[in-house]
Amino acid sequence: GAGVSQSPRYKVAKRGQDVALRCDPISGHVSLFWYQQALGQGPEFLTYFQNEAQLDKSGLPSDRFFAERPEGSVSTLKIQRTQQEDSAVYLCASSSPSRNTEAFFGQGTRLTVV
Amino acid sequence: AQKITQTQPGMFVQEKEAVTLDCTYDTSDPSYGLFWYKQPSSGEMIFLIYQGSYDQQNATEGRYSLNFQKARKSANLVISASQLGDSAMYFCAMREPPSGNTPLVFGKGTRLSVIA
Repeated sequence: GAGVSQSPRYKVAKRGQDVALRCDPISGHVSLFWYQQALGQGPEFLTYFQNEAQLDKSGLPSDRFFAERPEGSVSTLKIQRTQQEDSAVYLCASSSPSRNTEAFFGQGTRLTVV
Repeated sequence: AQKITQTQPGMFVQEKEAVTLDCTYDTSDPSYGLFWYKQPSSGEMIFLIYQGSYDQQNATEGRYSLNFQKARKSANLVISASQLGDSAMYFCAMREPPSGNTPLVFGKGTRLSVIA
């Protein structure tokens, strides 16, 4: 596709429910990042993939958060047993190996836990 | 400690005027990259401009320029000839080092409102 695509755009989950958020990066982009953006704040790093390898997951706030990118393209961020503090916008970004300074972002998934 | 500090929660500017959005950063790494992103209400982060720590000249991209003052650890964004469509959140961010396999660290952002 032309840009980074994320789905769903909006997700409402009941507390305790599991959710899965999808990111489809720009074709050929090796690097993929997930960020969490709380209301009124800047995005905060969650995890990083280079192809299918998850090289950094230091930003994941708890073991309820899990991310995968099994074939080195589409990535899924899964949150188990959602809690109200998980409510945020989840942004995905990808980078090209030939232009490795600029990250291209998707429109994000707004998760609301009720 | 905050790595990226944006001290202006909100700014107003008259259409066609110039505006400066402040950003200071904190790092001990000599190699880093500084970025500005625009986030309209649709939510997408739009890349505006990049400045590398070793770049000799200030970066410019159309109506956007970055006033890079390395000794002061300052990377202010200047938007010239403001347009109504410039109304959005603006985030300053840093990568150390500036390669594509390190995460961006963002400030809290500045909300810019352009008035007709």
